[in-house]
Amino acid sequence: DQQVKQNSPSLSVQEGRISILNCDYTNSMFDYFLWYKKYPAEGPTFLISISSIKDKNEDGRFTVFLNKSAKHLSLHIVPSQPGDSAVYFCAAPNTGNQFYFGTGTSLTVIP
Amino acid sequence: EADIYQTPRYLVIGTGKKITLECSQTMGHDKMYWYQQDPGMELHLIHYSYGVNSTEKGDLSSESTVSRIRTEHFPLTLESARPSHTSQYLCASSGRAGNEKLFFGSGTQLSVL
Repeated sequence: DQQVKQNSPSLSVQEGRISILNCDYTNSMFDYFLWYKKYPAEGPTFLISISSIKDKNEDGRFTVFLNKSAKHLSLHIVPSQPGDSAVYFCAAPNTGNQFYFGTGTSLTVIP
Repeated sequence: EADIYQTPRYLVIGTGKKITLECSQTMGHDKMYWYQQDPGMELHLIHYSYGVNSTEKGDLSSESTVSRIRTEHFPLTLESARPSHTSQYLCASSGRAGNEKLFFGSGTQLSVL
């Protein structure tokens, strides 16, 4: 049973607009969440994280929001740029530091 | 500035061959992981290690084996490759403190013919 879910396989956004990528989780014990960006045939790179004691974390154009009651988090990218086109994974570690990943959302930013 | 290295990047081999995918990190991390990922799918944990001489199987059943003789080195071996092993293999590491993130290598894209 998947503990981290990304229900949108793909998203297309115009350059300069906001991209919103969503992620849901089922394990209420998760207290730390991460977003990774991945290009084809490369390894994922860390983008931004959030601890469950916060509901928002911002880093430049990237903001992650956490809604614990809904077990939902989202990544906002604004303004979106063509270089942001990639697959985005959300992830969460369990207490044993094993990380669970969603299936990813492929973002295409159209120039 | 990659601190975790995987070789080879790409590998095409025939069925039945034995292969070893190399992974090394220079960050002194205790925890190392192997993930398998196919397009449109989540990253599946196949092996992990919390330190030297410690290895465990992950959630996804795998016919591969791993070893951890040195902190910095975590190779993965397939004794007899099959077409079903075609996938991207990602090595990662993390530190000891809480709320640590995973650092990934560039991955090995394996194709078994």
